[in-house]
Amino acid sequence: GENVEQHPSTLSVQEGDSAVIKCTYSDSASNYFPWYKQELGKGPQLIIDIRSNVGEKKDQRIAVTLNKTAKHFSLHITETQPEDSAVYFCAAARNSGYSTLTFGKGTMLLVSP
Amino acid sequence: SAVISQKPSRDICQRGTSLTIQCQVDSQVTMMFWYRQQPGQSLTLIATANQGSEATYESGFVIDKFPISRPNLTFSTLTVSNMSPEDSSIYLCSVEVSGMDGYTFGSGTRLTVV
Repeated sequence: GENVEQHPSTLSVQEGDSAVIKCTYSDSASNYFPWYKQELGKGPQLIIDIRSNVGEKKDQRIAVTLNKTAKHFSLHITETQPEDSAVYFCAAARNSGYSTLTFGKGTMLLVSP
Repeated sequence: SAVISQKPSRDICQRGTSLTIQCQVDSQVTMMFWYRQQPGQSLTLIATANQGSEATYESGFVIDKFPISRPNLTFSTLTVSNMSPEDSSIYLCSVEVSGMDGYTFGSGTRLTVV
């Protein structure tokens, strides 16, 4: 089955800095890669996703890059703010319908003012 | 994206008892997914619930311990049976609405077994 590795497990940055979280996956058939943000006491919230037919996707301060050859994808957050502090999870699936997500172990991001 | 209402939001239960968690979606969905998130850990899929058929359980999870109902296209329940302290976790339901991107999660049920 699919195996998703996520690094780092914790990341501390100063407000305004950039943060990068990296994931690798094992199943070459995976083609859907979402990122979730989970705040304390809440369920995971989808913040951005990417499919295997594109290499990069941006949404304001957030971007995701995908390297299908190397089987890795990354989350980039620019101009970090204290409200970006949360646990971030990457995931992979074979397709976005009728398939199941395999999650990484998560990264706790701390943004200090 | 779909809106999911999950109940209860939290509960403290005695060992040996059972708790049923409800998941209501504002759209009709084919598949509903139930996850467990142990303290400080990632999400682990328990089972996939398809309306009109028995749920499909992942390795390590069995129907006797986690029975699931899926009576219609907008609702599902997960029961945690004969609970022990090791069952203390957050339980989450998730859906993907056909034709839309992304899997949406409920806010979770925080279960503590004492």
